[in-house]
Order: sequence, then C-alpha cells, then structure tokens
Amino acid sequence: DIQMTQSPSSLSASVGDRVTITCRASQNIRNYLNWYQKKPGTAPKLLIYAASTLQSGVPSGFSGSGSGTDFTLTISSLRPEDFATYYCQQSYTTPSLSFGGGTKVEIK
Amino acid sequence: QLQESGPGLVKPSETLSLTCTVSSGSISSSSYYWGWIRQPPGEGLEWIGNIFYDGTTYYNPSLKSRATISVDTSKNRFSLSLNSATAADTAVYHCARYATYGAYYYFDLWGRGTRVTVSS
Repeated sequence: DIQMTQSPSSLSASVGDRVTITCRASQNIRNYLNWYQKKPGTAPKLLIYAASTLQSGVPSGFSGSGSGTDFTLTISSLRPEDFATYYCQQSYTTPSLSFGGGTKVEIK
Repeated sequence: QLQESGPGLVKPSETLSLTCTVSSGSISSSSYYWGWIRQPPGEGLEWIGNIFYDGTTYYNPSLKSRATISVDTSKNRFSLSLNSATAADTAVYHCARYATYGAYYYFDLWGRGTRVTVSS
C-alpha cells in the first residue's frame, strides 16, 4: 500500500499570505497526484490532478508541482474562502487509491 | 447529482448500509468507477472502496473484508454495506464518481455526504 503523508497537519495564515502544503508518497507515484479542498459540511472539491493540472473553474491562485514522491500545493495569495482543509490523493494504484491525512488552513 | 441515503443510526455489531443514487449520466459508463469515502469526526478522508459498472470491486485493506460494494445498473445506483459496525465507523459517508482524463483518475463529482452514527 502507498502511504501519503502531508505536512504540516495545520497552519495559521493571513489573507494575502502565500501558503505551501507538502505531500509525500511512500513510493514513486510519478505524477499521479490529486489535490482536494474540503470545507465543513460540504463535499470535497477537486483542485488539481496529475500533480499540476488545474481543474476547470479553479482559481489560478492555486498551483501544484512535484513528481515521484514529493509534491506541493501552493496558494499564491490566500483569500478568505480558501480557509479549508486540503487533501492529497494518489491515483497511481487506480482503481485502488489513498488519501493524505489533510492540512487544515486556519485564519491567523 | 449523487445522493447518499440510508439510516443515520446503526447499532454496534449490526450492518451499516448506504445507497448512492446517480442522477447525472449512466452508471454503466466505462469512463468511471464509483466510490465510497468517509470522514470520521475530527479526522481526515478515508477511501473505503470503488466499483466498476460490471461489478468489479476494490477495497481499502484496512477495512479487513467488512465492506461490500454493489451496483444496480437498472436503477443507476450503487451501495455500501459495512458489517460488524463499531463506534469507529461513525462518520460522514460520501459517494463519488472516480473519473478518467487520459491516464489520470480523480474524484470529480461527490455527494454531499450522509452522517452515520454507530451507537446503541
């Protein structure tokens, strides 16, 4: 099984800050990596797939990078609506898969 | 477009059963898998399993064979059964569509989720 480890588990930031979240895979997953945004009481929302491809309709302030085992999600300038929990998910072993533990982005 | 349904309260040791009705598109498309994901209170997302329209299933090994996912193509829906439920199965359960874009797969459509509590 491929384990996905996110860091940090939580962070505090201000509107306008640049935020970077890291996701590490326990083995090489090439670029089979997705990022989701989750807010309380709502369904997760796909932000990025294939490590760096922005899903249609997602603001350009979100970006993803990485390949192999190390990946990052960057929010270039935090907006009030970006405060949420972010999850990575590997699709290398599709149709099986696994999620990271999540990173909660809170208001400082 | 995806809607979960089922009891909100399940007794310990009983079977947790949920259904996901797909109202947009055919569940029989070869472009999708259909999945169940849960989120226990205060915890992260946990993948439970996926099913293809032909009934082929894939499960998270951590559930130790307690989970069964089935599909009913005539009703455009799929279901989850989780036997021997314990308090640790208390969670919000989401169904979702696992779609493909070329070689890449991702969950692009989700149900809003249904809260299930396991308690006597």
